[in-house]
Amino acid sequence: EVQLLESGGGLVQPGGSLRLSCAVSGFTFTNFIMSWVRQPPGEGLEWVSAISGSGGSTFYADSVKGRFTISRDNSKNTMYLQMKSLRAEDTAVYYCAKTIGAAGFDYWGQGTLVTVSS
Amino acid sequence: QSVLTQPPSVSGAPGQRVTISCTGTSSNIGARYDVHWYQQLPGTAPKLLIYGNINRPAGVPDRFSGSKSDTSASLAISGLQAEDEADYYCSSYTITSTPYVFGTGSKVTVL
Repeated sequence: EVQLLESGGGLVQPGGSLRLSCAVSGFTFTNFIMSWVRQPPGEGLEWVSAISGSGGSTFYADSVKGRFTISRDNSKNTMYLQMKSLRAEDTAVYYCAKTIGAAGFDYWGQGTLVTVSS
Repeated sequence: QSVLTQPPSVSGAPGQRVTISCTGTSSNIGARYDVHWYQQLPGTAPKLLIYGNINRPAGVPDRFSGSKSDTSASLAISGLQAEDEADYYCSSYTITSTPYVFGTGSKVTVL
């Protein structure tokens, strides 16, 4: 059974940092691109970042480029999102998702809430 | 920022058929990239409903069907049921600096 479990969310002040983790099981982690997708309260989905199976290629939405860093540890079946210079508009539930190339996101975690507020 | 446009809301009586449109551009759907659909029940994570324009993952009822044409796609729900009340999103690949893009989302209400 495929499982994705996010952790690391919480309340952080504007300008602060936070690191999210996504631990996975049930599939060969190294074979798949992984993504982060966020959803602000009451709003729609926004793709944030993606990383190739090897970790050698990374991609970011313009809204987070230069502030967020995606990485993965294939020995631990875990993906990360390091978030810096956080803004109020980064407040959202952050989901990790197993990505099948151009074919979308076939499995999602339950999400972790990040709140940026003073 | 969503570049795939969906109607904000769609409604129908139980048993009816409803459709949700997803309109893109020549940079995404029109560039022959596949469209995928997700269902998000209240308070839960999104779930893949249709992939590759027309395909249903195992366990998805055949009441749900997808289609694609030129720069747009559609999700149809036949025999609408109360349990289908949810938000629905389309997604596609794009040749812009942001490789993946979602639709604006559509809320389906069963009357």
